[in-house]
Amino acid sequence: GQNIDQPTEMTATEGAIVQINCTYQTSGFNGLFWYQQHAGEAPTFLSYNVLDGLEEKGRFSSFLSRSKGYSYLLLKELQMKDSASYLCAVRDGDYKLSFGAGTTVTVRA
Amino acid sequence: NAGVTQTPKFQVLKTGQSMTLQCAQDMNHEYMSWYRQDPGMGLRLIHYSVGAGITDQGEVPNGYNVSRSTTEDFPLRLLSAAPSQTSVYFCASSYGVGSGANVLTFGAGSRLTVL
Repeated sequence: GQNIDQPTEMTATEGAIVQINCTYQTSGFNGLFWYQQHAGEAPTFLSYNVLDGLEEKGRFSSFLSRSKGYSYLLLKELQMKDSASYLCAVRDGDYKLSFGAGTTVTVRA
Repeated sequence: NAGVTQTPKFQVLKTGQSMTLQCAQDMNHEYMSWYRQDPGMGLRLIHYSVGAGITDQGEVPNGYNVSRSTTEDFPLRLLSAAPSQTSVYFCASSYGVGSGANVLTFGAGSRLTVL
């Protein structure tokens, strides 16, 4: 099974940077994903890490340390449209993707 | 290209009633899955399938049945609805399984209320 922890809520100002941490425990780690979910909508894919290090995609970056069971999602130059829930998900083996409870980010003007 | 289509979007049931949530994808995806999402608990895997004729249980399978007779369709059946099954249900699919960025594509969700 999985134990995936991430903060419940974070608030930041437009134009700022926010870092969302995710820690996990798993028996068969096979990749970590970040998804974005706006209220009332379906999750959409943001990033994927399977090796240690930083993956950068425009304003969003994701980092993974497999030895520490730790990842973070970095959101730069925050915009109002970034207000959403951010879900950390860990794949165990080939088939099962388990999600954390999500971090709700509120961007204030 | 419709992606993942779920029906119905909203449903109200009485305790003990049965119903089927439909999920269809037109992307020729091998892997399909059902999740439920409850406040404070995140998405929890109910059942999944790695191809036609193959299904397996996820984290919270009790009270739900699935079948996969075609690549495109993966219906979720509630045999006798209970208030604890009040939730938002998401169907999700991906092209492959195993290693690699097999990204899940989610349907729009089905909001179920059991009275």
